[in-house]
Amino acid sequence: DAGVIQSPRHEVTEMGQEVTLRCKPISGHDYLFWYRQTMMRGLELLIYFNNNVPIDDSGMPEDRFSAKMPNASFSTLKIQPSEPRDSAVYFCASSHTGASNQPQHFGDGTRLSIL
Amino acid sequence: DQQVKQNSPSLSVQEGRISILNCDYTNSMFDYFLWYKKYPAEGPTFLISISSIKDKNEDGRFTVFLNKSAKHLSLHIVPSQPGDSAVYFCAASRSGGFQKLVFGTGTRLLVSP
Repeated sequence: DAGVIQSPRHEVTEMGQEVTLRCKPISGHDYLFWYRQTMMRGLELLIYFNNNVPIDDSGMPEDRFSAKMPNASFSTLKIQPSEPRDSAVYFCASSHTGASNQPQHFGDGTRLSIL
Repeated sequence: DQQVKQNSPSLSVQEGRISILNCDYTNSMFDYFLWYKKYPAEGPTFLISISSIKDKNEDGRFTVFLNKSAKHLSLHIVPSQPGDSAVYFCAASRSGGFQKLVFGTGTRLLVSP
């Protein structure tokens, strides 16, 4: 079975540019999560969706960040305008029920570098 | 405020010996704990979990211990193998419906032959 698929795997862009990260969750999973990994803060939850509806975006750092899930098989995380401090690895994850005893399945991440 | 702390950024162990990775939490409402393992250029994968009704959970070479009074959990790997070299993340949650996972900063384990 295909796991969570993220694209691109790497993104290098200049400050001020718009960045769009993409995610395809595992089919049948009702929950989708966007995380950011940094050395200082580890894995931080940015936003999560249940049945394509954003439930909690309290982890989104600023208004420059936005996320959408137009259908059950696709989500985007957009940064506009991007800044050097946004450089990090961004992970998408999905789970079937969202219960804590149902492990989240992660994609391989997008390594973002803002110059 | 880091609610889940992994104070050792790295750990080196020889093959065949025991690896002990530690994790502390501050939120007494957490009652479900997980460990994830992450190889370079890959996403984290679930390894083992424990509910607060237990103090130990074992799965093959991996055992997680929970000390609720100390708000501390540890992951023991015995015997350690070179393939165990990875970053290990501790995560905590509250049970009952959907609850966010709160992750630590990770510990990089290196198992040398």
